[in-house]
Amino acid sequence: SQQGEEDPQALSIQEGENATMNCSYKTSINNLQWYRQNSGRGLVHLILIRSNEREKHSGRLRVTLDTSKKSSSLLITASRAADTASYFCATAAYNTDKLIFGTGTRLQVFP
Amino acid sequence: ETGVTQSPTHLIKTRGQQVTLRCSSQSGHNTVSWYQQALGQGPQFIFQYYREEENGRGNFPPRFSGLQFPNYSSELNVNALELDDSALYLCASSFGNQPQHFGDGTRLSIL
Repeated sequence: SQQGEEDPQALSIQEGENATMNCSYKTSINNLQWYRQNSGRGLVHLILIRSNEREKHSGRLRVTLDTSKKSSSLLITASRAADTASYFCATAAYNTDKLIFGTGTRLQVFP
Repeated sequence: ETGVTQSPTHLIKTRGQQVTLRCSSQSGHNTVSWYQQALGQGPQFIFQYYREEENGRGNFPPRFSGLQFPNYSSELNVNALELDDSALYLCASSFGNQPQHFGDGTRLSIL
C-alpha cells in the first residue's frame, strides 16, 4: 500500500513558472525524499530532508517538511521543459531505509 | 562509476510461468532493494538484501523471492506468474544511510 498521496495528481505549466507539489504521509518518519521519474525510466534522487529539518534547498528545488501535519512540499522554481516528469515523495521510518512512495505528481512543462 | 543496471529491459511471459530479473548494483554499494511499480502508481517495496541476507520484506507473497551474490548483484524471482504481476520492476542499490540509486527497471508483461 502507498504511504500517502501527492497532490495535484497532474500539473501543467509554462516554462519559467514555478511548480509546487505536495505530499502527505501517514506514519512517523526518519526522513522524506523526493524522486523524479522520466517516462519509462528509473527514479532519480532529488533531495532528502530529515525529520528534524523544516526546509532544504538544492539549486532550483525547495523542500519543506511539517511533521506535525505529516506533509511536505516540493517547489521547482523557473521551470524548464526538461523538468517534465513524474515526481514522487518517499518516506523512510526509523531504523530502516525501506522507502514507501506516494502516488506521484505528473508535471508537464510547456515551452 | 557504473550505475545500477537491470536486465532484461522488457520481458513477456504467460500466466503460471516463472521469471528471473537481474540487477547489478552501483560500485561500492552493498544493499539492494526491489520495488514493483504498477502503471500509474508509485513503486511498492518488495524486499531488500544486505550482505546476501534478506533485510526486510514488503507485503508480497512467498512466490516473490530473491538472492544477493557476493559481488552484491541481485536477482528477483517470481513463480506462478499472475496477470497482476505485470509491472515495472525496479532495483535500487545503496550504501549505509545514503540515498538509493535506481536502475531503469525491467518491464514485465504477463499475457
